[in-house]
Amino acid sequence: DQQVKQNSPSLSVQEGRISILNCDYTNSMFDYFLWYKKYPAEGPTFLISISSIKDKNEDGRFTVFLNKSAKHLSLHIVPSQPGDSAVYFCAGRTSNTGNQFYFGTGTSLTVIP
Amino acid sequence: DVKVTQSSRYLVKRTGEKVFLECVQDMDHENMFWYRQDPGLGLRLIYFSYDVKMKEKGDIPEGYSVSREKKERFSLILESASTNQTSMYLCASSLEGAVQVELFFGEGSRLTVL
Repeated sequence: DQQVKQNSPSLSVQEGRISILNCDYTNSMFDYFLWYKKYPAEGPTFLISISSIKDKNEDGRFTVFLNKSAKHLSLHIVPSQPGDSAVYFCAGRTSNTGNQFYFGTGTSLTVIP
Repeated sequence: DVKVTQSSRYLVKRTGEKVFLECVQDMDHENMFWYRQDPGLGLRLIYFSYDVKMKEKGDIPEGYSVSREKKERFSLILESASTNQTSMYLCASSLEGAVQVELFFGEGSRLTVL
C-alpha cells in the first residue's frame, strides 16, 4: 500500500521556467514532508521540508506547498536550471517509535537549456 | 559536516553468496535505515533500527537481515544472494524527534548478483 504517490514519472521544463512536482499521500499521521533530489549513482540529498501544520515553506528557488485537506503537496522550482535535472522524491515522516519515512516513486525532471 | 558512509560503492556477487553491506554514521543518530532503490519503484524500506540491538522490519525484509551492535554502525546482510536482489542499496540515518527532521543518506552501494 503506497502511502506516498508521485503520479508523474517524468517532467521536462525549459530553463528559466517554473518546475512543479506533485505528490499525494494517504497517511494523516505524517508530521513532516520532505523532498529529496537524486542524481544517478549517488545517494539522495535533502532539499526542503515542511511541517504538517504549515502550508508553505520557501528556501531560495525551492518552495513547497502543502494542502492538507487534499492530502497533496507540491515542489516549485523557480527559475529552473539545467543542474536541477535529477530524480525528485517526496517523502512523509511519522514519529512513532523511531522516525519512519515513506517515499514516493520519484519524478525525473529534465531542464532543457 | 554530517556523514553516512557505505563501505562499498559497487559490488558484484554470485548467486548464493553471503553479502555484507556496511554503513557507518558519525552524527550520533538514533535511527538508521536500509532502503533499496529500483526504477519505477522508488525507495523501499528493508529494515530500520531505532536503537542499538533493536531492529524492525520494513516493507520488503524477505531475504535480508540486519545487525546493529554499535550506535554508529548498521549492517545489511544477504544470507544467500539472488539475482532479484540486484539493486542500489541506500543506508540512511536520522535524529529522533523534530529538532532535525531530515534523513541523511549515504552514497549508495550498487549490487549486481550474477
